[in-house]
Amino acid sequence: GAGVSQTPSNKVTEKGKYVELRCDPISGHTALYWYRQSLGQGPEFLIYFQGTGAADDSGLPNDRFFAVRPEGSVSTLKIQRTERGDSAVYLCASGVGGALSEQFFGPGTRLTVL
Amino acid sequence: GDSVTQMEGPVTLSEEAFLTINCTYTATGYPSLFWYVQYPGEGLQLLLKATKADDKGSNKGFEATYRKETTSFHLEKGSVQVSDSAVYFCALTPSGNTPLVFGKGTRLSVIA
Repeated sequence: GAGVSQTPSNKVTEKGKYVELRCDPISGHTALYWYRQSLGQGPEFLIYFQGTGAADDSGLPNDRFFAVRPEGSVSTLKIQRTERGDSAVYLCASGVGGALSEQFFGPGTRLTVL
Repeated sequence: GDSVTQMEGPVTLSEEAFLTINCTYTATGYPSLFWYVQYPGEGLQLLLKATKADDKGSNKGFEATYRKETTSFHLEKGSVQVSDSAVYFCALTPSGNTPLVFGKGTRLSVIA
């Protein structure tokens, strides 16, 4: 079956612009996670959805970052007034939810802010 | 807060060599421990996991044992292949349905 997909695969933008990154989870997965991976680092947690609601957004670095999942499936990560320090690979993962369920990762979106 | 420390790479081995990638963690309570692998051009994949002390996770010839007394989860393989070349990430979840906390990753290159 289809895995987690993310679009676009690459995004180049200019400092100050607004970007949206999309994640299509595996069908039926209620849990959805966003992570950010900077060069040479491991992924860092941003936000976690259980269904439509954000169960934990403690990893969002500031109020320029926002994510939605209005119908409990597709999620969009939105970044306002992008900064060069936002350049990273943004990873999405989904799972069936519940304790210790496996997270299935998408290929990521590489964001470059010039 | 919770954290994971793993040995820095890159690690370069000849085919059929023995592999160890060290991982230690800091966490309150009783976390679950994971190894994820990222092959070139692909997304992160779960390699193995262990949910309680003394559990051994294994997959594709890789093994790791949850050692609470040393707060470690070292990854081992007896005979590596060129196809094992990838970046390996140690990770934990503090409890329940919580996000993963990752180490920085270790790049492994296996040469024929």
